[in-house]
Amino acid sequence: AQSVSQHNHHVILSEAASLELGCNYSYGGTVNLFWYVQYPGQHLQLLLKYFSGDPLVKGIKGFEAEFIKSKFSFNLRKPSVQWSDTAEYFCAVNRGGGYNKLIFGAGTRLAVHP
Amino acid sequence: GAVVSQHPSRVICKSGTSVKIECRSLDFQATTMFWYRQFPKQSLMLMATSNEGSKATYEQGVEKDKFLINHASLTLSTLTVTSAHPEDSSFYICSARVAGQNNEKLFFGSGTQLSVL
Repeated sequence: AQSVSQHNHHVILSEAASLELGCNYSYGGTVNLFWYVQYPGQHLQLLLKYFSGDPLVKGIKGFEAEFIKSKFSFNLRKPSVQWSDTAEYFCAVNRGGGYNKLIFGAGTRLAVHP
Repeated sequence: GAVVSQHPSRVICKSGTSVKIECRSLDFQATTMFWYRQFPKQSLMLMATSNEGSKATYEQGVEKDKFLINHASLTLSTLTVTSAHPEDSSFYICSARVAGQNNEKLFFGSGTQLSVL
């Protein structure tokens, strides 16, 4: 069955530190890849997505992610985090068809200390 | 941006009762809505896909008689947990899909925390 693995359940960083959150998926065919963020008390929001083209995807708020097909990975990065990036981050995958039937990872809770 | 309203945000009920959760798209029409369930420290698990005017499509292992989904209009889908039991306690989230050429998007509700005593 298709699955999504997020390696870190909990990450604690100081402001200005660099961030990389891992995401690996198990499906071998064509996939669409997503990162969502959930700030405390708010809805899930789309950070960025990859459907095709340039494997380095830039999203909102300075985030980017790189799709490495050979590694089945779609890691999320930000060069310098801020306190306001404190949130839970979810990686999600589906097999073509845009936003149908997303499979989510378990999430990574990021805490950024001033 | 588009807003999906989910209500109630929190509900506590007695075992054996039924609970209805509403998911509304406030400023767009959603032909497709999805219902997810999330246990603590685990993934959002897709329960079912709800298409307006037709029967919902349930994922494997999800009891359709237990989790009744109705999508009677383009702006409203409901999930009814029938005869709830403590093991149904969970966080339920809906999402609504806006379909359009080169502009397909998915918006999430804020979730409903169900606690069954």
